[in-house]
Parts: sequence; structure tokens; C-alpha cells
Amino acid sequence: KAGVTQTPRYLIKTRGQQVTLSCSPISGHRSVSWYQQTPGQGLQFLFEYFSETQRNKGNFPGRFSGRQFSNSRSEMNVSTLELGDSALYLCASSLDSPGQGNTIYFGEGSWLTVV
Amino acid sequence: AQSVAQPEDQVNVAEGNPLTVKCTYSVSGNPYLFWYVQYPNRGLQFLLKYITGDNLVKGSYGFEAEFNKSQTSFHLKKPSALVSDSALYFCAVRDRLTGGGNKLTFGTGTQLKVEL
Repeated sequence: KAGVTQTPRYLIKTRGQQVTLSCSPISGHRSVSWYQQTPGQGLQFLFEYFSETQRNKGNFPGRFSGRQFSNSRSEMNVSTLELGDSALYLCASSLDSPGQGNTIYFGEGSWLTVV
Repeated sequence: AQSVAQPEDQVNVAEGNPLTVKCTYSVSGNPYLFWYVQYPNRGLQFLLKYITGDNLVKGSYGFEAEFNKSQTSFHLKKPSALVSDSALYFCAVRDRLTGGGNKLTFGTGTQLKVEL
């Protein structure tokens, strides 16, 4: 069974540009969430999508957005890039069965460098 | 709000010796706790989780974790460390959200260094 797949793995963008990152969850997983990892702030939750709807959102500015498609694949977009957006962006997927005991699986991440 | 603390930025241990990576948590209600490992330039790999039941949870690669409700701790352990265990370890708690969902709050991470 394939794991969580993220593309691209590495990218370099210029300040002011925008970027789109893609995530394919594990087959059968309908919950997809995104995290930002930086040396200074650690791992921070961006948002979660379930059945094409944003279910939860972290404390990030509106420049960070996402969406989920009917096949559960997800994309996140960052507009008007700033130097501080340089980070590892991690996608995670999970089942959504009752009981809160679902394991959340992560992809390898997309390394974004803003210059 | 949930929170997780990993009091040690780095843990050094000799190969073959037992290792412990500490984690304490603060949650309302029953906690759902996780450990992940991150190797350089890689994503997070799931090691183990505590949902309910036995306080000693066994996971991947010989790791286990002990849940202690009275001390609000969930320490990661391994009886005999390997050099290949050297990595960054994260403890996390699953948030209880009104509308449900899968959101983790992470600790700051502990760098484990296993030396020959």
C-alpha cells in the first residue's frame, strides 16, 4: 500500500511569488492535513480537509490556503511568498473512523525555499 | 488547550544501552498520544500510539512507550539502542476538537544521538 505522496519534494521560489504543493493520501483515507515545520517554530498545524471541506484551521494568515478534491487528493497554496515561509511542508492523512484512535501518517514533505 | 513538553533537546546514549526520551502532556479528558521519528531530510514516521488500555505500548523498531496518567507522561523507551536510532523524535497529542478531526499538537522534539 502506497504511503502519503507529496510533490514536489524540493522547490525554490522568489519573494512575492506563489506556490502550490500537492498531496496524495493513503488509499481510503479521506482526512488530509498540512503542517509547517521550521527550526524556530517547530511543527505547526495549518489546516485539515475532509470530504472536500476544510474542517479545522490553524493560526496562519490568509495567504495560506488549501483544497481537497473528490478523490481526497489535496493541494495547499501560499501566495505572496515571504522569506519566513521557507520551511518543510508536511502532508498527513488518516482514516476518520469514530473513536479518535486513528493513526495519522505523514508524507516525506515538500522543502520550500524562498529567496 | 492541549500541550506537549519534551524537556530534553538532546539525549546521548551509548549503543547497547537503554534509552529514554521524555514527554509530558496536558490535556482535558483522556489523552491520545503519539510518537514519531524524523530522519534527516525526511518526513515523520509513526512509531506508536496510546489510545486506551495497557499502559505499556509497543511500537515499531523495538520501541515502546509507557503511559503514566498520574504523572501525565508518555516516555519513549528502547531496551538496547542502535546507532541507526539516531534521529529527531517527536511526541504529539491529538486535539479534541468540537467538530472532530485529526489535528496533532507536537512537542519541540528531542534529538537522539547513539554513539559507539
